[in-house]
Amino acid sequence: GAGVSQSPRYKVAKRGQDVALRCDPISGHVSLFWYQQALGQGPEFLTYFQNEAQLDKSGLPSDRFFAERPEGSVSTLKIQRTQQEDSAVYLCASSSLGLGSPSSGANVLTFGAGSRLTVL
Amino acid sequence: DQQVKQNSPSLSVQEGRISILNCDYTNSMFDYFLWYKKYPAEGPTFLISISSIKDKNEDGRFTVFLNKSAKHLSLHIVPSQPGDSAVYFCAARTSGTYKYIFGTGTRLKVLA
Repeated sequence: GAGVSQSPRYKVAKRGQDVALRCDPISGHVSLFWYQQALGQGPEFLTYFQNEAQLDKSGLPSDRFFAERPEGSVSTLKIQRTQQEDSAVYLCASSSLGLGSPSSGANVLTFGAGSRLTVL
Repeated sequence: DQQVKQNSPSLSVQEGRISILNCDYTNSMFDYFLWYKKYPAEGPTFLISISSIKDKNEDGRFTVFLNKSAKHLSLHIVPSQPGDSAVYFCAARTSGTYKYIFGTGTRLKVLA
């Protein structure tokens, strides 16, 4: 597609429910990132995929958070047993360059519109 | 420990004047810096970047200045337009890595 697409745009969950957030990156983009943005804060890194390989999951706040990108394109971020502190906008971003690319340069990220999660 | 800081949460500027948004960082290993603009209910959109080997990069009305000794960068918008009203984030990346660290953002309001 022309841009990064995320769904759902809005999700309300009761505390304890599991949620799944989907990201469709730009076609052919090697790198995919998930960021979490709490109200009034900047985006915080969660995890990074290069194709289907999850190279860094150091930003995932707990083992309730799980991300996958099985075929190197669409990615899903799953949050189990949601808590109120999980309420945030979850941003997905992709880029055409991967780690170690000769022309990595600035490796600009293209973001989706985000999925706003509210946990009651 | 916030490695990228935007100490001004908001800024108001008259249309046609210059907007200056500031960003400070602590990690001397950062090699690329990006500015993103974010409108409500949209994702951040890329605005302009600068490599650590440069001290200035210009793109139309937008210019980014980098002062490595002060670990400071700034985004200048001249002339400011009402459509520039948005939240601006600076982001930085360490050489050889892939993840960007973002500041907390500055909300710019350009008054008509």
